[in-house]
Amino acid sequence: KAGVTQTPRYLIKTRGQQVTLSCSPISGHRSVSWYQQTPGQGLQFLFEYFSETQRNKGNFPGRFSGRQFSNSRSEMNVSTLELGDSALYLCASSLGPGSGNTIYFGEGSWLTVV
Amino acid sequence: SQKIEQNSEALNIQEGKTATLTCNYTNYSPAYLQWYRQDPGRGPVFLLLIRENEKEKRKERLKVTFDTTLKQSLFHITASQPADSATYLCALDPPRYGNKLVFGAGTILRVKS
Repeated sequence: KAGVTQTPRYLIKTRGQQVTLSCSPISGHRSVSWYQQTPGQGLQFLFEYFSETQRNKGNFPGRFSGRQFSNSRSEMNVSTLELGDSALYLCASSLGPGSGNTIYFGEGSWLTVV
Repeated sequence: SQKIEQNSEALNIQEGKTATLTCNYTNYSPAYLQWYRQDPGRGPVFLLLIRENEKEKRKERLKVTFDTTLKQSLFHITASQPADSATYLCALDPPRYGNKLVFGAGTILRVKS
């Protein structure tokens, strides 16, 4: 079956703009989480959604937001972009939100802020 | 504060040898620990999950151990191959936090032929 699909794969934005990234989970998976990966900070948890509800949130400013739709697809949005937001944004899906579920990552969206 | 450390930034070994990667953590009581492989420019790929009540888990040439007393996990790749060259990440899966994985910085493994 198809894996986690993220779009767009690459994008360049200007400081102050906003960006929306999209994620389609593996069919049947209802939990979607987002991570930011940078060379300096590594992989950091942004937030997790299950049944259209945010269950967990990482330590990121309010400029980072997300949502999940009834078909489990998810989007994340970053407003007022800063240079430091340049990163690989990874979406991951799993069957459910409980600990111990295997988590499958997409290939990520590379965001460059100039 | 909570911390996860992977033993080294890079590990170079000869083809055919066993690679051993270390993951240490402090101020956690994880229920699970997971290992992922990540190739440049790609998303992490799940390899193995081990539960706190399991000492060891194997999958083909991979073996993971989990010592909750030492707060350490060891990840072994036996009969390593150049194709095993990648970054390996350990991640803690704290109980009651759903899928909020906490990742180590990763170890770059280079297997030379």
